[in-house]
Amino acid sequence: QITLKESGPTLVKPTQTLTLTCTFSGFSLSTSGVGVGWIRQPPGKALEWLALIYWDDDKRYSPSLKSRLTITKDTSKNQVVLTMTNMDPVDTATYYCAHRLQFRTFDYWGQGTLVTVSS
Amino acid sequence: QSVLTQPPSVSAAPGQKVTISCSGSSSNIGNNYVSWYQQLPGTAPKLLIYDNNKRPSGIPDRFSGSKSATSATLGITGLQTGDEADYCCGTWDSSLSAVVFGGGTKLTVL
Repeated sequence: QITLKESGPTLVKPTQTLTLTCTFSGFSLSTSGVGVGWIRQPPGKALEWLALIYWDDDKRYSPSLKSRLTITKDTSKNQVVLTMTNMDPVDTATYYCAHRLQFRTFDYWGQGTLVTVSS
Repeated sequence: QSVLTQPPSVSAAPGQKVTISCSGSSSNIGNNYVSWYQQLPGTAPKLLIYDNNKRPSGIPDRFSGSKSATSATLGITGLQTGDEADYCCGTWDSSLSAVVFGGGTKLTVL
């Protein structure tokens, strides 16, 4: 059974760096074809993909946010970490991590964590 | 502005059928697999359809997916009040090298 759970601060100040951790179980990020992605959703708005990391450490980023994002993995801890620099109130959103199935879809999602950016 | 275009809302009566469209281009839907996600109020997205028309285990066959050229469609038959949710399409965009999503469609079961 695959599960994922996001953790991190619920409130960050403008210009600060956000660090979110996705802790997962039921799969290994050292298995060929496996990936984990981050997706966010501002209140009342659409899903927005942020980043992906694969078993071979291949990393992909949203072109519009690439300069602010870093995704890493710790295979031994079953964790994926996303950092986003220079946070702004428009970055207020629920942040989800999800299991990527063979490059094609997100088949399991975490419950999400709401991050509010405010001074 | 989402890369994939969906109608903001659709509605139908219980027991009826509804379709939700997702329009893209050759760089995304035209050459990549499409997924559909259901998001019930206050919950995380849930995979409904992947690889254009496949259902994960546990998804009833009332839900179906299809793709033609640069558009995809989600169909739901035998509508139930529990189907009221937001539905979103997603795929890979080869030109952007990015995962792209539609803007989401809110389904109301009248």
